[in-house]
Amino acid sequence: KQEVTQIPAALSVPEGENLVLNCSFTDSAIYNLQWFRQDPGKGLTSLLLIQSSQREQTSGRLNASLDKSSGRSTLYIAASQPGDSATYLCGAGSEKLVFGKGTKLTVNP
Amino acid sequence: GAVVSQHPSRVICKSGTSVKIECRSLDFQATTMFWYRQFPKQSLMLMATSNEGSKATYEQGVEKDKFLINHASLTLSTLTVTSAHPEDSSFYICSARGKETQYFGPGTRLLVL
Repeated sequence: KQEVTQIPAALSVPEGENLVLNCSFTDSAIYNLQWFRQDPGKGLTSLLLIQSSQREQTSGRLNASLDKSSGRSTLYIAASQPGDSATYLCGAGSEKLVFGKGTKLTVNP
Repeated sequence: GAVVSQHPSRVICKSGTSVKIECRSLDFQATTMFWYRQFPKQSLMLMATSNEGSKATYEQGVEKDKFLINHASLTLSTLTVTSAHPEDSSFYICSARGKETQYFGPGTRLLVL
């Protein structure tokens, strides 16, 4: 059974700082891994999707990497802004996505 | 891109009543849809997998008679919370499987009084 763990559970940084969020999964037989952001009381916004054959994806200030063999993914956020404050969820899976508990990010002005 | 809608976005009901939530894939057909539940400050927990034209597959610990799922067409799945109780109050999110991954709806917030 797939289990997904995200570290840290919460992170508070000053504006402008670069940061890394971590995601690990137990079953490496995944089709893809996806990073989402969730604002309070809202649904999921997809940020980056990494197919199992890929090693990384980039979108603007975001870069996500995937290492299937070690069961790890990282989300790198460059030059963080207060608007990046949200909970970031990692979902991994084959037939269905299993989620970690998320990392709550606060970027202070 | 692939769009998934949910209706209603918010619902308040009395304890003991039933509530139906709709999940639609607007611009693609989805043979498989998923229903998740999220309690406050918790992650998304998969409740069931809904397959068009067949019975849903429920995750361990989810009562199939309480959470009725119907996937009657390739663009619509419904979740009915029967005899709702306050502990069923939660954020329910559906997703539909597309070509590359799952696409998520905006969620339905259920409050049972």
